Amino acid sequence: DTEVTQTPKHLVMGMTNKKSLKCEQHMGHRAMYWYKQKAKKPPELMFVYSYEKLSINESVPSRFSPECPNSSLLNLHLHALQPEDSALYLCASSLGTAWHPYGYTFGSGTRLTVV
Amino acid sequence: TQLLEQSPQFLSIQEGENLTVYCNSSSVFSSLQWYRQEPGEGPVLLVTVVTGGEVKKLKRLTFQFGDARKDSSLHITAAQPGDTGLYLCSTITGGGNKLTFGTGTQLKVEL
Repeated sequence: DTEVTQTPKHLVMGMTNKKSLKCEQHMGHRAMYWYKQKAKKPPELMFVYSYEKLSINESVPSRFSPECPNSSLLNLHLHALQPEDSALYLCASSLGTAWHPYGYTFGSGTRLTVV
Repeated sequence: TQLLEQSPQFLSIQEGENLTVYCNSSSVFSSLQWYRQEPGEGPVLLVTVVTGGEVKKLKRLTFQFGDARKDSSLHITAAQPGDTGLYLCSTITGGGNKLTFGTGTQLKVEL
């Protein structure tokens, strides 16, 4: 299995809703990431998990709450989002956080619309 | 100020044309990677370059790392509609913890 699987593919939520994005990989990767991408822009890093521990939070608002239940799963819990949070949310994984030539493996993303 | 500046930002060409995308920085990098992102998908790694002056080929794509390891280029020969997508250069920052992307080049190849 060489994939990162993200669910759901599309999500529409109201500003008062609570929802979660899910990400799963079975490649034995020990680092997992959440990125946010606006249309026609590069992905921007939100969170880094290394060995199931949060190692980087790029000053993301608390309405985004990451969780790493085990080495294969990564969740992003959403609460009280704003319309400007509408974006493509990408999950990625890598062997570790140290540099290596194999890069990151990205999922196809969750297209989130906040209404 | 962006760490990695790409040019051009947008490129629309006809099938069969050649093109070059540039990735520039004032910093020196130990390595640089290129990704391609197709509509509705996540980025996919194309190549990693690590040695100054290195040239790597992937079918019709040629990647070069600058001698000073501050810049890189991607050349596509005889572009095809399947080459359409967002091309991103990237590097590892933050002591090895963060993959940071360049500003991106949106390529559209039309029939």
